[in-house]
Amino acid sequence: QLTQSPSFLSASVGERVTITCRASQGISNKFAWYQQKPGKAPKLLIYDVFQLQSGVPSRFSGSGSATEFTLTISSLQPEDFATYYCQQLHLYPLTFGGGTKVETK
Amino acid sequence: EVRLVQSGAEVKKPGESLKISCQASGYTFPSYWIAWVRQMPGEGLEWVGTIYPRDSDAKYNPALEGHVSLSVDQSINTAYLHWRSLKASDSAMYFCARPSLPGVVNVFETWGQGTMVTVSS
Repeated sequence: QLTQSPSFLSASVGERVTITCRASQGISNKFAWYQQKPGKAPKLLIYDVFQLQSGVPSRFSGSGSATEFTLTISSLQPEDFATYYCQQLHLYPLTFGGGTKVETK
Repeated sequence: EVRLVQSGAEVKKPGESLKISCQASGYTFPSYWIAWVRQMPGEGLEWVGTIYPRDSDAKYNPALEGHVSLSVDQSINTAYLHWRSLKASDSAMYFCARPSLPGVVNVFETWGQGTMVTVSS
C-alpha cells in the first residue's frame, strides 16, 4: 500500500513543491511518478526512483528509498498544475498512491 | 512511433457483457506486456491487470480477478479487457499502457487515450 501526501497542495509559480509517498513495507527501486492533467492519460515523469524520463524537464526530480519516496518540482511552472501519482512495481498487485492535486494559490 | 489506440466510449446496462480494445503499433507487439488501469470518476488510478501477448500470461488485481479478463489477438496487435456481467461500479475510464522495456512488467511509458465505460440501467 502506498500513502501519498498531501492530497491537495496550493502553490504559486516559482515555488518549490514536494510530494511524498510512503510504502507500508520496504520496496525496491521499482518506483515511479506520473503526472495527469484533466481528461488526459497519465504521463511518466520519473522511474526507478530518480531516473528522469526522456523529455521531462529537469525541474522534476525523485529521491528516496525503502519506504519513503519524494517527488520535487524545483520551480513550479504554469504547465505543472496537475495531479501527481506515485506507483510501486516491486510486487503484485501493482499499486498507485492516492494522488496529489497541485492547484494554483 | 509507439502508439496505443483504444476503442470508443461504451454505454451498457448492468449484467451485459463488454469487450474493449487497445490496438498497438510501432513496436513488436508480442514482446511487451500490456497493462490496464482503471480510473473511476473523480478518483485515482487503479491497476486492473497485465498480460504478456507472447504467451497470454496474465496477472490480475485480486480485487477484480474473476470479474474481468484479459486477452490478446496477436494477428491484429490488439489487447482486450472484457467483462461477462457488468456492474454499475464498473463505470470508469480505462487506460491501456505499455512498459518501457520488453519482457518485463515495469513503468508504464506509453498510454492509450482511454475508453470511458458507463454502466447504467
